[in-house]
Amino acid sequence: AQSVTQPDIHITVSEGASLELRCNYSYGATPYLFWYVQSPGQGLQLLLKYFSGDTLVQGIKGFEAEFKRSQSSFNLRKPSVHWSDAAEYFCAVSSPLLQKLVFGTGTRLLVSP
Amino acid sequence: NAGVTQTPKFRVLKTGQSMTLLCAQDMNHEYMYWYRQDPGMGLRLIHYSVGEGTTAKGEVPDGYNVSRLKKQNFLLGLESAAPSQTSVYFCASSYPGSYEQYFGPGTRLTVT
Repeated sequence: AQSVTQPDIHITVSEGASLELRCNYSYGATPYLFWYVQSPGQGLQLLLKYFSGDTLVQGIKGFEAEFKRSQSSFNLRKPSVHWSDAAEYFCAVSSPLLQKLVFGTGTRLLVSP
Repeated sequence: NAGVTQTPKFRVLKTGQSMTLLCAQDMNHEYMYWYRQDPGMGLRLIHYSVGEGTTAKGEVPDGYNVSRLKKQNFLLGLESAAPSQTSVYFCASSYPGSYEQYFGPGTRLTVT
């Protein structure tokens, strides 16, 4: 069965430091991969998505993610974190066969001054 | 455009009471979804709809019913609320084949 693992429940990063959030998926076919962000008290907003092609994808707010098929990973990165990036981040997988999103359990990012 | 809206934003129910959550979207999306979000469990799909008049079960459908009488609206009903249904409920919508879902702001439901 398809699943998404986000091994880090919480991560604290200093403002201005780089960030990497981990995501591993389990899915037999070619996956479509997504990162969503949820600010406190808000709904989810799409940061970026990968369907095919270039394995390094750029998203909004300066985020990027790299698809590594050999590692079944789709890690999210940002070179310099801002205090406004503090939020919860969800990785998700889908496909034409799945017809729905399967979410990971999320990683809460805290940004320290 | 308002996008995806949810009514109400907050609600407290007693065990056994019923209620309906309303989701509305103005993007002419065919697909609509209801999720619940619980700490440490991410978002889990309750029910979804691929078009007006159609609904299907998701991962955690027990205790919930849904209806999609109009394309722009997707209703989630709890016939007899239980404390286990205390959660934050999110509605989302998408175009067919898009896989990018647009989310509403959520409804926080507490069942005592």
